[in-house]
Amino acid sequence: QQQVKQSPQSLIVQKGGISIINCAYENTAFDYFPWYQQFPGKGPALLIAIRPDVSEKKEGRFTISFNKSAKQFSLHIMDSQPGDSATYFCAALSGYQKVTFGTGTKLQVIP
Amino acid sequence: ETGVTQSPTHLIKTRGQQVTLRCSSQSGHNTVSWYQQALGQGPQFIFQYYREEENGRGNFPPRFSGLQFPNYSSELNVNALELDDSALYLCASSSPDQGGAQYFGPGTRLLVL
Repeated sequence: QQQVKQSPQSLIVQKGGISIINCAYENTAFDYFPWYQQFPGKGPALLIAIRPDVSEKKEGRFTISFNKSAKQFSLHIMDSQPGDSATYFCAALSGYQKVTFGTGTKLQVIP
Repeated sequence: ETGVTQSPTHLIKTRGQQVTLRCSSQSGHNTVSWYQQALGQGPQFIFQYYREEENGRGNFPPRFSGLQFPNYSSELNVNALELDDSALYLCASSSPDQGGAQYFGPGTRLLVL
């Protein structure tokens, strides 16, 4: 059962542009929504996270927008850089902290 | 502060064998979760250990088992290996009083021939 749907599957953005990745969830028990960045052959690294009582959170060039009524959240990467090229996973947690991951978005930032 | 470490980094086994993977949690974390990540997929939750007790399990058969030790390090054991067990195995540590953030190790790449 896919409880967190993520799109797009892949994304190509010009250097300096804005990368936008969207996720939707079904389980209203989720209460913590992290985003992870993963480089090939490495473990996922926690990038930024949000709780459903907040509509937006910004850390540097990374912003999460959260729409609780629509059960959707998104990651915006401002001023995208070639070093941001990686696979990004949205995720959701509830209860005993099992992380349910989205299917991933492979981002390529071209110079 | 020491991050999450895993060993070994790579492993090759044959079908039917058994394997043990190890994880040391981040300093101050008492919860360890294990995930399986197949190539091109998102990580799938195997199980979680909190204070040496299993604290939740995903949709994996009983041949996947684990342990957590008093120092909060953990082992993942897989018996009767199958070809489909080939994957990156990830360990993540966390602490309930830190609000849900899980920090992942670099993973162990397992290849079953």
